[in-house]
Amino acid sequence: SYVLTQPPSVSVAPGKTARITCGGNNIGSKSVHWYQQKPGQAPVLVIYYDSDRPSGIPERFSGSNSGNTATLTISRVEAGDEADYYCQVWDSSSDHAVFGGGTQLTVL
Amino acid sequence: QITLKESGPTLVKPTQTLTLTCTFSGFSLSTSGVGVGWIRQPPGKALEWLALIYWDDDKRYSPSLKSRLTITKDTSKNQVVLTMTNMDPVDTATYYCAHRHPGDPFFDYWGQGTLVTVSS
Repeated sequence: SYVLTQPPSVSVAPGKTARITCGGNNIGSKSVHWYQQKPGQAPVLVIYYDSDRPSGIPERFSGSNSGNTATLTISRVEAGDEADYYCQVWDSSSDHAVFGGGTQLTVL
Repeated sequence: QITLKESGPTLVKPTQTLTLTCTFSGFSLSTSGVGVGWIRQPPGKALEWLALIYWDDDKRYSPSLKSRLTITKDTSKNQVVLTMTNMDPVDTATYYCAHRHPGDPFFDYWGQGTLVTVSS
């Protein structure tokens, strides 16, 4: 089964740039989707197909995917961005969804 | 406007079968490409995908839980039902249902989730 690896935590000062990685074998050949989850709330889709943003998601959120690493980048981080972030792919070989272990973003 | 809401027991005993219902609005599960999935999250832990049912009744299950899961749909009621057999305390989690964007491999709308505790 396909495995996605995320760092457990990332810390960033307000106004700076946060980068959250998602590692997987040749993940660059897959489409990666990212979700934001605040405490006590359901996940919210923030990036789909590596770098597309749903309506309502600020332009500060962007994504990239190449080789063995996909990256969610949050520019000009705000206190309200503090949350857990999960990457997700669809494993076509077994035809099911796979989530990463999640990364807790802390705004210092 | 798409909404989903999970319902079911908050407490089940070990070895019992869990039945959860996802009631949705704003879309039809008879529309080509549409899917509804179930994802769970143990307290303080990561999301885990469980199952998905498509508009054409095709179904997909997590390989590690496949033997315990059944997903069905009632298009007329706008509901998707997930059953999980032989519940164990490790199955204690918040269970979410989510709308899979038509033809796309991501979930764009999620229910609020329902916490299920497995304990005797």
